[in-house]
Amino acid sequence: QVQLQESGPGLVKPSETLSLTCAVSGYSISSAYYWGWIRQPPGKGLEWIGSIYHSGSGSTYYNPSLKSRVTISTDSSKSQISLKLSSVTAADTAVYYCARHGGGNSIRYFDLWGRGTLVTVSS
Amino acid sequence: QSALTQPASVSGSPGQSITISCTGTSSDVGGYNYVSWCQQHPGKAPKLMIYDVSKRPSGVSNRFSGSKSGNTASLTISGLQAEDEADYYCCSYTSSTFVAFGGGTKVTVL
Repeated sequence: QVQLQESGPGLVKPSETLSLTCAVSGYSISSAYYWGWIRQPPGKGLEWIGSIYHSGSGSTYYNPSLKSRVTISTDSSKSQISLKLSSVTAADTAVYYCARHGGGNSIRYFDLWGRGTLVTVSS
Repeated sequence: QSALTQPASVSGSPGQSITISCTGTSSDVGGYNYVSWCQQHPGKAPKLMIYDVSKRPSGVSNRFSGSKSGNTASLTISGLQAEDEADYYCCSYTSSTFVAFGGGTKVTVL
């Protein structure tokens, strides 16, 4: 059974870099799937951040509105997907989810989601 | 502002059918059969209910169905049940920004 678990600091100061990790169990992230990050500000809707195939291929897609501040990478040896978001502000306060794209080598839909982790940006 | 437009809320009585719309453009909903729908209960992670416009993942009730006409996709819930009360989000591949979500629709079971 494939499971995804996000982890990282729950509090980040403004202007600093938010760093999160998604641990994947029950599946090799080097296989044929894209893996993505999505966030949800409190009381608001879902926003896609970006997705990655696996670091070997270097195939990544980023939300153009966040691209200048986002880096997504993978560590196959640890079966982890990482998210870094720089120069954060209060507007980046959200629950951050990692998820797997279904359908093999495509970014058509998200079929598996982690439980999410709340990150608050505040001094 | 979401790229895909959904009604903020839809309600229905138990046993009734409701439909949630998701309107985009020819660059997303209308241009590809890559629309999906997720259900989210309060405090929980989203759950995939429909993918590729009308396909249901294993384990999802057949009371949930999806369709598309032009630039608008729809999710229909038939035989509405109390457990269906949740937020629903549409999602589509887009040629401009790759992935777009709708703003979400709150379904209330009266």
